[in-house]
Amino acid sequence: QSALTQPASVSGSPGQSITISCTGTSSDIGGYNYVSWYQQHPGKAPKLMIYDVTNRPSGVSNRFSGSKSGNTASLTISGLQAEDEADYYCSSYTTSTYVVFGGGTNLTVL
Amino acid sequence: QVQLQESGPGLVKPSETLSLTCAVSGGSISAYFWNWIRQPPGRGLEWIGYVYYSGNANYSPSLNRRVAISVDTSKNQFSLKLNSVTAADTAVYFCARGVTTAAFDIWGQGTMVTVSS
Repeated sequence: QSALTQPASVSGSPGQSITISCTGTSSDIGGYNYVSWYQQHPGKAPKLMIYDVTNRPSGVSNRFSGSKSGNTASLTISGLQAEDEADYYCSSYTTSTYVVFGGGTNLTVL
Repeated sequence: QVQLQESGPGLVKPSETLSLTCAVSGGSISAYFWNWIRQPPGRGLEWIGYVYYSGNANYSPSLNRRVAISVDTSKNQFSLKLNSVTAADTAVYFCARGVTTAAFDIWGQGTMVTVSS
């Protein structure tokens, strides 16, 4: 099972909005509404930011939002802040391996 | 709130068995799916497998022949065993709670395991 495809890096200035894409296939993202997004700061455990495509866990800022179209899911961060600088991983349910992760995207806040 | 804590050897010799335990505190293990996920240095995340409190387990096909995950409800913990390890198994190993299908809402801090002689 190949990893989901994410851009290696994205960047934005404070206050701006950025979007991170995550492309899979009809066997994962396109077939199920079980896409999640994680934020990981260096040396820390991942933190769940979005689950089931669009849902935010309690305590996660509403600046984070998720969406999906076809085989591609997206994470949008609005009102970019310095603390948002981190690695972001998408994941999806897949019938073949239960869950597959993306390769990760490094977000730089300029 | 629920917290997870991994424990186990940080160094394992090639061909031997990697054994880790995840202690669940602040809540009961008798619900949810309990997962192991690893991250090689500088790389992305890889799901290893999960165990339900009933003992039913599901593993990644790529590791299926070498892995076993078990649960001990009396101790509120679950464990990972990965046999015949090689350098490719060197990674930070995380335990995590499955909140819905293929989503993990609570993670341990992670423990680094190095495979080396």
